[in-house]
Amino acid sequence: GENVEQHPSTLSVQEGDSAVIKCTYSDSASNYFPWYKQELGKRPQLIIDIRSNVGEKKDQRIAVTLNKTAKHFSLHITETQPEDSAVYFCAASNSGTYKYIFGTGTRLKVLA
Amino acid sequence: ETGVTQSPTHLIKTRGQQVTLRCSSQSGHNTVSWYQQALGQGPQFIFQYYREEENGRGNFPPRFSGLQFPNYSSELNVNALELDDSALYLCASSSRTGDSYNEQFFGPGTRLTVL
Repeated sequence: GENVEQHPSTLSVQEGDSAVIKCTYSDSASNYFPWYKQELGKRPQLIIDIRSNVGEKKDQRIAVTLNKTAKHFSLHITETQPEDSAVYFCAASNSGTYKYIFGTGTRLKVLA
Repeated sequence: ETGVTQSPTHLIKTRGQQVTLRCSSQSGHNTVSWYQQALGQGPQFIFQYYREEENGRGNFPPRFSGLQFPNYSSELNVNALELDDSALYLCASSSRTGDSYNEQFFGPGTRLTVL
């Protein structure tokens, strides 16, 4: 069935360092890949997304890369700050269908 | 433009009871999806409503049902509550254009505890 694997489950980095979170999806029809940030007790917030017609997208300190052949996509956060500490979820979807398949989440801790 | 809202914020029920959760979609959105998020897990898709009809369903039993109203708001109903139904229930609204679905934006969720 459809599945998204996400690694690592926890990640601790020093402030100013980079963080990378990786996801692998199983459904080759997936063509839309959003990333959500969820702070404790709050709603998931869309932080960046990528569609399958591009290989990379960047927004200030955040970037996402996609390798369709390998069915991998990754979130890169540079110059991490304490406020980046949260749980990050990747998801995969076929924009012609209705549902997102989420990964299990990565708890990122940025140490000051 | 208003964001996605949900009510109530928290709810405590006992096994066997029924519960109704509510969601108001973001202005301009015509599609509502419901997700269950167990503690420490990613959201799991329950179902989606578009034009007042169920548009797709995840791996949840029939005691999970829903409605969408003409103003695009939605309800999630769960009958015969079980302990494992304890979770954060999230709704997400989006806009559907033809056969394409756009980004989903989440509400704050309803924390359901079943005792």
